[in-house]
Amino acid sequence: NAGVTQTPKFRILKIGQSMTLQCTQDMNHNYMYWYRQDPGMGLKLIYYSVGAGITDKGEVPNGYNVSRSTTEDFPLRLELAAPSQTSVYFCASIPGQGSYEQYFGPGTRLTVT
Amino acid sequence: AQSVAQPEDQVNVAEGNPLTVKCTYSVSGNPYLFWYVQYPNRGLQFLLKYITGDNLVKGSYGFEAEFNKSQTSFHLKKPSALVSDSALYFCAVRVPYSSASKIIFGSGTRLSIRP
Repeated sequence: NAGVTQTPKFRILKIGQSMTLQCTQDMNHNYMYWYRQDPGMGLKLIYYSVGAGITDKGEVPNGYNVSRSTTEDFPLRLELAAPSQTSVYFCASIPGQGSYEQYFGPGTRLTVT
Repeated sequence: AQSVAQPEDQVNVAEGNPLTVKCTYSVSGNPYLFWYVQYPNRGLQFLLKYITGDNLVKGSYGFEAEFNKSQTSFHLKKPSALVSDSALYFCAVRVPYSSASKIIFGSGTRLSIRP
């Protein structure tokens, strides 16, 4: 199993550009999460999904969108990039209700200039 | 509101000495508590959890954590530190009654083990 994979590893965007951060897991996990990690701030939940076709907002959803058309994939979309979105983005998954240990991807480091 | 605090940004320990990384929490109901470790340029890895039962829980890489309900703490410990333990450590608490098993992370503590 590859676990949770994320692409790209690094990206530099100009203000106003758009991009999609990809997240795929091959563990047949139902629940998936997107976090951003800012220095000294821990991880903040952006969006999460409890299954294909079901998504919901986390703590900091503004400026982002998600979709979950399959169990495996949970892409995060930035429509109009802003410098405040410079961060490291992590995707995570767990099997489902009653599971607690989250499996994390390696992260995507995004810089918006 | 649920929260978790890690009062130390950095902890420095000599190799072979015991280490403690502190965590306190605030949550309604029974807490579900976790420790994760992050090595440079990597995602977080699960270390251990407390759900119920024995207050001393053991996890990966020789780490353990002690749940103290009266002090609302969940400190991470290891009897003898290794240089390879140097990393960023996060304490986390599950959001009570969350149907999506959401968790809240602390701000992290950087552990540095000197040879």
